[in-house]
Amino acid sequence: AQSVTQLDSHVSVSEGTPVLLRCNYSSSYSPSLFWYVQHPNKGLQLLLKYTSAATLVKGINGFEAEFKKSETSFHLTKPSAHMSDAAEYFCVVQEGASKIIFGSGTRLSIRP
Amino acid sequence: GAVVSQHPSWVICKSGTSVKIECRSLDFQATTMFWYRQFPKQSLMLMATSNEGSKATYEQGVEKDKFLINHASLTLSTLTVTSAHPEDSSFYICSAPREYNSPLHFGNGTRLTVT
Repeated sequence: AQSVTQLDSHVSVSEGTPVLLRCNYSSSYSPSLFWYVQHPNKGLQLLLKYTSAATLVKGINGFEAEFKKSETSFHLTKPSAHMSDAAEYFCVVQEGASKIIFGSGTRLSIRP
Repeated sequence: GAVVSQHPSWVICKSGTSVKIECRSLDFQATTMFWYRQFPKQSLMLMATSNEGSKATYEQGVEKDKFLINHASLTLSTLTVTSAHPEDSSFYICSAPREYNSPLHFGNGTRLTVT
């Protein structure tokens, strides 16, 4: 069965420091993995996706994520946080068009 | 730009009235659209899968008669909250994949407040 665990409900970092948002998954098959960002009262925007190609995936706004099968992880990172990165982030596992599981979300706060 | 358009972005209605929310795919045909509900500071909860030309598939615990879904064309799905009550107040979001197994494109959501 599929599942997604976002290990931190809230992460706070200072502007200019690295960001790490953790995600672990379980899946019976080779899943597609995504990170989405949600700003307040908005829909979700795709940051990046992993679909069994390169294990290190680069996304928009300087974010990237590394797929580690041995650790069943897909952590999201960014070298230097910006104030505009403050938002809610969701890790998503997808198998086909109908099996889509959302993580519980991680709220990222940026301190000036 | 946005590939999925959702309207209205917010709506306030009185108890007992019905509210319709529209979700449109702007530059692709969506045979499948998904409707989610999101409570404050929580993740998205899938309510139903809207299928063009056939009945929607509802998740367990979601009342079909209360949340009416219509997917009459390949670019439009609607969610109607019937006889709304204050507990229906929430953020509703639709999404659709451009192709099978491709990432979801999300609407900007609808904030429903029932007074």
